[in-house]
Amino acid sequence: QKEVEQDPGPLSVPEGAIVSLNCTYSNSAFQYLMWYRQYSRKGPELLMYTYSSGNKEDGRFTAQVDKSSKYISLFIRDSQPSDSATYLCAGLLAGGFKTIFGAGTRLFVKA
Amino acid sequence: DTAVSQTPKYLVTQMGNDKSIKCEQNLGHDTMYWYKQDSKKFLKIMFSYNNKELIINETVPNRFSPKSPDKAHLNLHINSLELGDSAVYFCASSQERQETQYFGPGTRLLVL
Repeated sequence: QKEVEQDPGPLSVPEGAIVSLNCTYSNSAFQYLMWYRQYSRKGPELLMYTYSSGNKEDGRFTAQVDKSSKYISLFIRDSQPSDSATYLCAGLLAGGFKTIFGAGTRLFVKA
Repeated sequence: DTAVSQTPKYLVTQMGNDKSIKCEQNLGHDTMYWYKQDSKKFLKIMFSYNNKELIINETVPNRFSPKSPDKAHLNLHINSLELGDSAVYFCASSQERQETQYFGPGTRLLVL
């Protein structure tokens, strides 16, 4: 079992849709949980991070974490074609220095 | 004003050759990383360095040897390249908030 699991997609939605991306993890030692976005042929960039259960909002993006179920979601409101990318879920182990990534979910937002 | 840069961007080479990839960050961070992203886009950590000291070595074959001459640079030397080494290699850096890593543009390595 991989420590961080995501549905690889691809997920295709029309512009303006609400997107829900999901991730599960098995390692209880994750101190932080993160969402990274990776455009084609680019390096990943951090979207959001959280360390506790609950919701965290940043503009059109909301991360929802349930640590008891080891479940993380990323919601994108009013999706735009520029949101088309691969979204990587990740966990940072307590003590630092090691981040474990999921395989990513590819998202296509059609204009 | 590139934050994390890597050279070269593309590397095509024959099996058995030795090659190096260089990484530099101008963010003043004290932690740097090497990741490998395979053809299925799975991003896996290889090495973590903090203040030029090796902290994490993720059971990478010893054909891979990272070197950190100073806190701003982390290079990766690969000996006796194999077909399975073909991948995109990403360098990243972070400061104390290690959940926030800054990635370079990647080096696409193809071993023929």
